[in-house]
Amino acid sequence: DGGITQSPKYLFRKEGQNVTLSCEQNLNHDAMYWYRQDPGQGLRLIYYSQIVNDFQKGDIAEGYSVSREKKESFPLTVTSAQKNPTAFYLCATTSGTKETQYFGPGTRLLVL
Amino acid sequence: GQSLEQPSEVTAVEGAIVQINCTYQTSGFYGLSWYQQHDGGAPTFLSYNALDGLEETGRFSSFLSRSDSYGYLLLQELQMKDSASYFCAVQDAGNMLTFGGGTRLMVKP
Repeated sequence: DGGITQSPKYLFRKEGQNVTLSCEQNLNHDAMYWYRQDPGQGLRLIYYSQIVNDFQKGDIAEGYSVSREKKESFPLTVTSAQKNPTAFYLCATTSGTKETQYFGPGTRLLVL
Repeated sequence: GQSLEQPSEVTAVEGAIVQINCTYQTSGFYGLSWYQQHDGGAPTFLSYNALDGLEETGRFSSFLSRSDSYGYLLLQELQMKDSASYFCAVQDAGNMLTFGGGTRLMVKP
């Protein structure tokens, strides 16, 4: 059953805490992306990775970090430097043609 | 950089036709995509235009005019399940997507 999985579905962060959001795919896609979506808003690019062991900052990378050690996995860490982390986080991948992005179900991050 | 404009909200009745417009300003344009997102869900791909003209996929069609930096999504025979947010997104030469703010479509009986 191919697709993109994100976990957890809901995540609660305490002040000063780093949290990591998981994104796993078995679509064999090279490129992976992380977006942030605030209520009633569009998607903004945080980080992207075109290939294993390489990643680039997007438009709003401050306060976030990523790694790409395996093709299937692209975890996102929300650090304590991100002062307003409450949002819906979406992971996406693209195939070779790159015309279509496929999205995971998302993780909703809330601050306690 | 990229910027996109689309209406924030559109209301239509079941069975009607609705058009959602998108204008964009971009430093590098490769294509225009449309995505649908139901409340609480993930965006799903609807259509993609790289060349001028109309692309039809069932009840949905998408149009692009590169010279006018303008596109639209046309939804025909509206159904209640079409109530969702619709996003246009510009794809640049580096295959990055920049999304508009989204149009919330409400379909009424």
